[in-house]
Amino acid sequence: DARVTQTPRHKVTEMGQEVTMRCQPILGHNTVFWYRQTMMQGLELLAYFRNRAPLDDSGMPKDRFSAEMPDATLATLKIQPSEPRDSAVYFCASGEGQMGTEAFFGQGTRLTVV
Amino acid sequence: GQQVMQIPQYQHVQEGEDFTTYCNSSTTLSNIQWYKQRPGGHPVFLIQLVKSGEVKKQKRLTFQFGEAKKNSSLHITATQTTDVGTYFCAGNLLGDMRFGAGTRLTVKP
Repeated sequence: DARVTQTPRHKVTEMGQEVTMRCQPILGHNTVFWYRQTMMQGLELLAYFRNRAPLDDSGMPKDRFSAEMPDATLATLKIQPSEPRDSAVYFCASGEGQMGTEAFFGQGTRLTVV
Repeated sequence: GQQVMQIPQYQHVQEGEDFTTYCNSSTTLSNIQWYKQRPGGHPVFLIQLVKSGEVKKQKRLTFQFGEAKKNSSLHITATQTTDVGTYFCAGNLLGDMRFGAGTRLTVKP
């Protein structure tokens, strides 16, 4: 049963610490999205990649966030330094095709920055 | 940039009543998708609409895509308690997928 895998599922960290979230997209999918979900802002697109190349990361605070795809099986989202306002659920999703098809979401990483 | 607006933000209904959520885009879309997220879960794909004026049905759910491909709606007939959750539309423009804020549906038995 193909699925998007995200690790860790939960992360509690102190303000100022570095946080790295990982995502394994479904094998064969060429598009990977990172979303952040909060009660106030809903689902925000942070970045997305196609064929491992970043296409849009305009939704990401550049000074502290970075997203990469070291290879086709791994996407990472890093926050350094983390702040309490970064507390949210971070979802990774993958899909296939240029025109956009069904996006398969991982179960998310719930991040709490204290 | 592309923006997708969704209303209402919340909807509380009595079981058996109908429910509708609406989605509007600032730009003409390639397609639109609908997702459901159960409390504590992750968004799960429901359907994709591609053609102007398209209407699709899944049991009690009816999805519509506007003629101008800028708006869409999801209608649930005779809601059940299993319908609770947040329904999101996602407007897709050449692979750039933007979600609406979602409509949280609660159903009173």
